[in-house]
Amino acid sequence: AQKVTQAQTEISVVEKEDVTLDCVYETRDTTYYLFWYKQPPSGELVFLIRRNSFDEQNEISGRYSWNFQKSTSSFNFTITASQVVDSAVYFCALSEGGGSYIPTFGRGTSLIVHP
Amino acid sequence: DADVTQTPRNRITKTGKRIMLECSQTKGHDRMYWYRQDPGLGLRLIYYSFDVKDINKGEISDGYSVSRQAQAKFSLSLESAIPNQTALYFCATSDPEEQFFGPGTRLTVL
Repeated sequence: AQKVTQAQTEISVVEKEDVTLDCVYETRDTTYYLFWYKQPPSGELVFLIRRNSFDEQNEISGRYSWNFQKSTSSFNFTITASQVVDSAVYFCALSEGGGSYIPTFGRGTSLIVHP
Repeated sequence: DADVTQTPRNRITKTGKRIMLECSQTKGHDRMYWYRQDPGLGLRLIYYSFDVKDINKGEISDGYSVSRQAQAKFSLSLESAIPNQTALYFCATSDPEEQFFGPGTRLTVL
């Protein structure tokens, strides 16, 4: 069965600090997808990234970067020079080919960026 | 226009009332889902449908029912609402690997 663990329930930083949100997953499948979503205080879910299991390249998008390591079953998300607008709940999710691609979500990490 | 829409966006109801949450999509996807979000628990799957004739229970289906009226429409019903069903509800479609979420319905059961 697939499982996603976001051990950090809440992280509090001061603006301009770098912050890493951890995501550890469990799967027996060789074909799977990993996702990160952002949920700002307004409540909607904003898609950030999708990564398939065959692509371990790290990804950088502006101040956001993702580190995918199959050896440790982790897909961590780093925000560089955090800003107040980054304050949100961030969800990591996993979907397996063997599970018909029905995703399992982590419980989320609440990031609070103080000015 | 949004690809996945949900109505209503906010609803306050009383214990014992029947309530329906509606979801429509214009993405042409066969797969549709209903999730519930509670603080600290992430998103949990209530029901999912892989096509109009295929409906399946998710992790937490008790107290809920669904109807897939067409490829584009998937409704969630609470037959007799109870206070612990107070939550944020999301509808989603998928292609199938990636999910596309609606804006959410905030439901309060008093």
